[in-house]
Amino acid sequence: GAVVSQHPSRVICKSGTSVKIECRSLDFQATTMFWYRQFPKQSLMLMATSNEGSKATYEQGVEKDKFLINHASLTLSTLTVTSAHPEDSSFYICSASRVRTRTNEKLFFGSGTQLSVL
Amino acid sequence: SQQGEEDPQALSIQEGENATMNCSYKTSINNLQWYRQNSGRGLVHLILIRSNEREKHSGRLRVTLDTSKKSSSLLITASRAADTASYFCATVSNSGNTPLVFGKGTRLSVIA
Repeated sequence: GAVVSQHPSRVICKSGTSVKIECRSLDFQATTMFWYRQFPKQSLMLMATSNEGSKATYEQGVEKDKFLINHASLTLSTLTVTSAHPEDSSFYICSASRVRTRTNEKLFFGSGTQLSVL
Repeated sequence: SQQGEEDPQALSIQEGENATMNCSYKTSINNLQWYRQNSGRGLVHLILIRSNEREKHSGRLRVTLDTSKKSSSLLITASRAADTASYFCATVSNSGNTPLVFGKGTRLSVIA
């Protein structure tokens, strides 16, 4: 099956610093990647949709200047949490869909990044 | 906005028993998917059922879809301790190119 690698798996940082999370599709090309945020025992909330070579589409209420998304290639998307604050502490998960299938059918997920901002 | 709503929120069963989780949604869909998440990990796709399908099987998994009631169920037969995880339903709407919308999930505990 397709593999999506997400790195780092866990990060602890001081308030005010920026954190970059990488999401790579290892064995397929992903025109579209999705970034989700998940609080403990809660569902996944879509933050933004990232399309290769174009600007990301952010969901309502998600600050695009706070959560910078770059999808520079068909295999890599990054999420940068800028000037992180304790309220940004959460579990962030990326997912990707294959190029050849219709968008939003079966998604492949990264293993997630647990961000803790002190 | 939240689309799928699973119930129960939590389920605890003995190994060997069957586990049934339900999902209800609000708008018309193209397909509905079930995912599994182990604690602190990403999601793994389990099964996809299209709006014109009523039932689908995959190993010990059985998924049903009732579009008239806007509901789906996931049945795990002969459960194992390794099935302990959270299970989410996610829907793809018919209205164009929209992303998956996840429900709140059911936390399943299978006790050996």
